Amino acid sequence: KAGVTQTPRYLIKTRGQQVTLSCSPISGHRSVSWYQQTPGQGLQFLFEYFSETQRNKGNFPGRFSGRQFSNSRSEMNVSTLELGDSALYLCASSAPGTKETQYFGPGTRLLVL
Amino acid sequence: DQQVKQNSPSLSVQEGRISILNCDYTNSMFDYFLWYKKYPAEGPTFLISISSIKDKNEDGRFTVFLNKSAKHLSLHIVPSQPGDSAVYFCAAQEYGNKLVFGAGTILRVKS
Repeated sequence: KAGVTQTPRYLIKTRGQQVTLSCSPISGHRSVSWYQQTPGQGLQFLFEYFSETQRNKGNFPGRFSGRQFSNSRSEMNVSTLELGDSALYLCASSAPGTKETQYFGPGTRLLVL
Repeated sequence: DQQVKQNSPSLSVQEGRISILNCDYTNSMFDYFLWYKKYPAEGPTFLISISSIKDKNEDGRFTVFLNKSAKHLSLHIVPSQPGDSAVYFCAAQEYGNKLVFGAGTILRVKS
């Protein structure tokens, strides 16, 4: 089975711009979660989507949003980019059910100048 | 408020010996725990997990121990190999699929 894929892998933006990141989960996985990794804050949960609905949300401002499509692919959007948004953005997918392991993609490295 | 803590930022171990990585948590509602291995600029790779109804889970060279009363878990790697050198993250699962991660421990296995 193919793993979780994320595009693009690298991105450079300037302050004030917006960005959209994409994630394709493992086939058959319906839950997609997004995480942000920074040197200062570590790995932090952004939100989770399941069957096209946001099921859970972390403590991030409204500039961070996401959605999930009927094929379980997910996108996250960050509007009005700030320097502090520079990070590795990770997507993880898991099979339906509870206590299912989350498998991560390679991440998108975003640099905001 | 750090709910998952990995108090050792780094650990150095000789090849062939045991590596023990520790993790403490504060939220008694956590009932599923996972260990991930991560290289820089890559996504975490799942290693092993344990449900709160168990106190031990083994998978090859990796064993995870859970002490619920102490809110402590540990990952044992035996024998350690140079390829095990990476950052190891402990994670606890909350409601839904939200994972709460520790800060990570850098493991260096010397040959």
